[in-house]
Amino acid sequence: TQLLEQSPQFLSIQEGENLTVYCNSSSVFSSLQWYRQEPGEGPVLLVTVVTGGEVKKLKRLTFQFGDARKDSSLHITAAQPGDTGLYLCAGGRDYKLSFGAGTTVTVRA
Amino acid sequence: GAGVSQSPSNKVTEKGKDVELRCDPISGHTALYWYRQSLGQGLEFLIYFQGNSAPDKSGLPSDRFSAERTGGSVSTLTIQRTQQEDSAVYLCASSFYLQETQYFGPGTRLLVL
Repeated sequence: TQLLEQSPQFLSIQEGENLTVYCNSSSVFSSLQWYRQEPGEGPVLLVTVVTGGEVKKLKRLTFQFGDARKDSSLHITAAQPGDTGLYLCAGGRDYKLSFGAGTTVTVRA
Repeated sequence: GAGVSQSPSNKVTEKGKDVELRCDPISGHTALYWYRQSLGQGLEFLIYFQGNSAPDKSGLPSDRFSAERTGGSVSTLTIQRTQQEDSAVYLCASSFYLQETQYFGPGTRLLVL
């Protein structure tokens, strides 16, 4: 059973379009992290959110942590082919990270 | 080194054989973590080390799996009598202290035939 559910599982969009990826759980986390993983590489941390209701922006990426610290979303504005990859959310509790299954994003030129 | 390194990058083995996977963490990082990533699934936590100690081994899938860390640096994950269901990408991560940002290595892709 996955502690964190990500949706959608796959997303294919045209360059310039916007997209949103969701990460939901019934559990409360002390922090939530988003990673991007490219083929043959390990996940690379994009952002960590720790406060309920927190919104963080990283250029064209906007991350939001739910008020109850159980869910999060990642929004990409004007997606580019370089945004293609597997996006993983991970909830932190003590030393352990629990990962969602990931959303595979493909941005077509 | 600049980042976490893992070796080998790929490993093909026959069912029943033992394999050793190695992780070199970022210099100075006290915490080290092992995860397993199977196709279509998220990363599954296996074990973590604080220094050379592994306080929580509950994530290891079976007693065929073991891990050690020496000198507060290099770690080895050993899988004995490999099974086909062990096929996955094994990822290692390290952090300066526990609960801090984890930096991942590129992983070892294990295929058990």
